Amino acid sequence: DADVTQTPRNRITKTGKRIMLECSQTKGHDRMYWYRQDPGLGLRLIYYSFDVKDINKGEISDGYSVSRQAQAKFSLSLESAIPNQTALYFCATSDWGRPGTQYFGPGTRLLVL
Amino acid sequence: GESVGLHLPTLSVQEGDNSIINCAYSNSASDYFIWYKQESGKGPQFIIDIRSNMDKRQGQRVTVLLNKTVKHLSLQIAATQPGDSAVYFCAENIDDYKLSFGAGTTVTVRA
Repeated sequence: DADVTQTPRNRITKTGKRIMLECSQTKGHDRMYWYRQDPGLGLRLIYYSFDVKDINKGEISDGYSVSRQAQAKFSLSLESAIPNQTALYFCATSDWGRPGTQYFGPGTRLLVL
Repeated sequence: GESVGLHLPTLSVQEGDNSIINCAYSNSASDYFIWYKQESGKGPQFIIDIRSNMDKRQGQRVTVLLNKTVKHLSLQIAATQPGDSAVYFCAENIDDYKLSFGAGTTVTVRA
């Protein structure tokens, strides 16, 4: 969905490195989310934000941090990457009126060696 | 624990036939359910949703059925087309913000 963009689309990094995944949206939504997808496990919520002053942990936040720089931008950082953080990462947005209907970006495929 | 799950991880269907994808949930407090479609290399895409005060909702070639008695959700796709090949996820909205996703069903359409 071109309304939600993620950079980079693919990334290879080494154990211990700090990396940042970025997400931007043009949908004008207040709510933004970061998910992780692993084969056979569906999507799991890492962090979510209701607005620029509101950041909340999801079910698997350990080892991750986020920054909501503006309404349209929400970045995810891995402070010290480890191999089991190898996964597909998705950013999503939703409108306050329909929080269950989320719009996903194309994903970032991350490989930690 | 409470979770959303799908009955079968894979489904193979002949082009032109109807597809039925099933999902079981265990949280009786869930009030809103959503189906997503994920094509290869893309993010999940919203298909259709249904609130717990409804039993059925129809969209374009898709119908979602909700049976609260047995906590079962299904997605029916009419006249399945090659473009319907994808992974389908059901999700339940328990809180105002949080979606709990199932593991997904991979649908393959045979020509």
